[in-house]
Amino acid sequence: QQPVQSPQAVILREGEDAVINCSSSKALYSVHWYRQKHGEAPVFLMILLKGGEQKGHEKISASFNEKKQQSSLYLTASQLSYSGTYFCGTEIRGSGGSNYKLTFGKGTLLTVNP
Amino acid sequence: DAGVTQSPTHLIKTRGQQVTLRCSPKSGHDTVSWYQQALGQGPQFIFQYYEEEERQRGNFPDRFSGHQFPNYSSELNVNALLLGDSALYLCASSLVGALYEQYFGPGTRLTVT
Repeated sequence: QQPVQSPQAVILREGEDAVINCSSSKALYSVHWYRQKHGEAPVFLMILLKGGEQKGHEKISASFNEKKQQSSLYLTASQLSYSGTYFCGTEIRGSGGSNYKLTFGKGTLLTVNP
Repeated sequence: DAGVTQSPTHLIKTRGQQVTLRCSPKSGHDTVSWYQQALGQGPQFIFQYYEEEERQRGNFPDRFSGHQFPNYSSELNVNALLLGDSALYLCASSLVGALYEQYFGPGTRLTVT
């Protein structure tokens, strides 16, 4: 089932902060965050696993609430380069941990203005 | 270090035709996943190949099939094309055993007329 992202769109001025949320009705094995700029491929930002393990870029932070099956991506001191569509992707737990299938939300369009 | 490459970049086909898209994974990666991305939507998982076999499949009809070669490259085949198959097709590679960080290719834009 497709995760739900909120907000659908957000407009910031350079230097402002934003939070993008992702929620699922299924028990999650992991949550992934990607950013896609117009006409380009999605770029990996962060992965958060059940149990607390995570990996991602230094300037990106995120949280994963396993009880609520929710994740949030925190963008602080935004820069013009942060503009793009942010997607969360969720992995449902399989027999061996991951079921190897990433289901993406519809995305959150972030626009950072000077 | 070469990233994920896909070919062709753009493709125009007629309804009912068949198409083959190709993907070469990032160096060192052994797993390839294919996604379909409609305009304004998130990528939708088609299937994943590992060790030359389909390991997982999304909700796509049998018209969508794939293959992985011993060098880990992969093909996506779509038969009996429909207008609704028009989309950006993305290939992503990853390394099994590592955290499931996927690297996406630039995609193939398929237009069915």
